[in-house]
This record gives sequence, C-alpha cells and structure tokens, in this order.
Amino acid sequence: DIQMTQSPSSLSASVGDRVTITCRASQGIGTNLDWIQQKPGKAPNSLIYAASTLQSGVPSRFSGSGSGTDFTLTISSLQPEDSATYYCQQRNARPLTFGGGTKVEIK
Amino acid sequence: EVELVESAGGLAQPGGSLRLSCAVSGFSFSSFWMTWVRQAPGKGLEWVAEIKHDGSEKYYVDSVKGRFTISRDNAENSLDLQMSSLRAEDTAVYYCARRSHNWSFDLWGRGTLVTVSS
Repeated sequence: DIQMTQSPSSLSASVGDRVTITCRASQGIGTNLDWIQQKPGKAPNSLIYAASTLQSGVPSRFSGSGSGTDFTLTISSLQPEDSATYYCQQRNARPLTFGGGTKVEIK
Repeated sequence: EVELVESAGGLAQPGGSLRLSCAVSGFSFSSFWMTWVRQAPGKGLEWVAEIKHDGSEKYYVDSVKGRFTISRDNAENSLDLQMSSLRAEDTAVYYCARRSHNWSFDLWGRGTLVTVSS
C-alpha cells in the first residue's frame, strides 16, 4: 500500500498568513494526488485534484503543487473560514490512501 | 439538487450485520464510480470500497474483504454497503462519495454513524 505522510499534523496561524502543508507519498504517484478539506462535524469536501487543479468554486487563495512523491497545499492568505483539517489522498493505486491530516487553527 | 444521502447507521453487536444505503439524486448515477469512505471517531479518513458505474468491478480495503459487500442499483439510484462479521474497529462515520470523471471525490454525503459494541 502507498503510505501518505502529511506535515505538520497541526498548525496555528493568523488571518492573512501564508500557510503551507506538505504531503509525501511512499512511492511515486505522478500527479494522482487530491486535497480534501473537512470542517468540524461536516463531511469532507474536495479542494484540489490532480495535484494542482482547483475544484469548481474553490477560492483562488488555495493552490497545490508537486509530482512524484512530494506535494504541497498552500493557502496564500488564511481566512477564518479556512479553519479545518486538510487531507491529501492518493488515487494512483488501490487501496486509495489518505494522509493523516493537518489541522489548521486560526490564532 | 445534486446530493447523496446515507441511510441511518446504528448500533450493531460484534459479529453482527448492518446494511447501509446511499440515495442519489440530481445526476446520472449510472455514469459514475461510487465509493464508501469511513472515519473512526477522532481519526482520519479511510477508503473502504468502491464500485464501477455498471457494477462490474468492485474493490475493497484489505481489512473489510470477505466481510463487506458493495453493490448498486442504477435503476433505483442507490448504493449499498452490506457489512457483516462486524468488529469494534468498524465503528466509524461512513460516507458515500462520488468519483468524478477526473477521479477525485467531488461529491460527498453527510455521513452516517455505525457503532459496533456489545
């Protein structure tokens, strides 16, 4: 199975800060990597697919990059509504696997 | 409205069975792969099973193989997950999710809680 490792596991940042979350795959997955946001008590929501393409309706402050084994999710200017847990997920091979999540809190 | 709505989960005893359903509306159900993803209390997301749009292919995470069965009824716009030989570690919120044509999970249900306990 492909292991997905996210860092950090949590972070606290101020409104307007630039936030970066990293995700590393245990083997190369091309750009078969998606980012998912989950707000407390809510269902997950897809943010980015194919490593860097924003889903429809996702604010442009979110961006993704990377290929192979190393990926990054960036929030260019953190907003209060971005308080959530973010997961990376590989779909290069079954079983599909998720990273452990990064909890983003607003200071 | 485009939505996925899971049936109520509930409490099951270890070794028991439970069937989850996901009602689909607002899109052409028969055109999409569908997936079950679960989340144990306070934990991360885990892919459980998925099924091809026509039901001809099914895939499972190792921990549920031989115990869970995913199925679909395209005429009824319904996705099911039959769970048997349940274990305490199956306790989780179960989400049905649509795999888009770009293969991402682009639509999620609200989830349903399954608790396995004596």
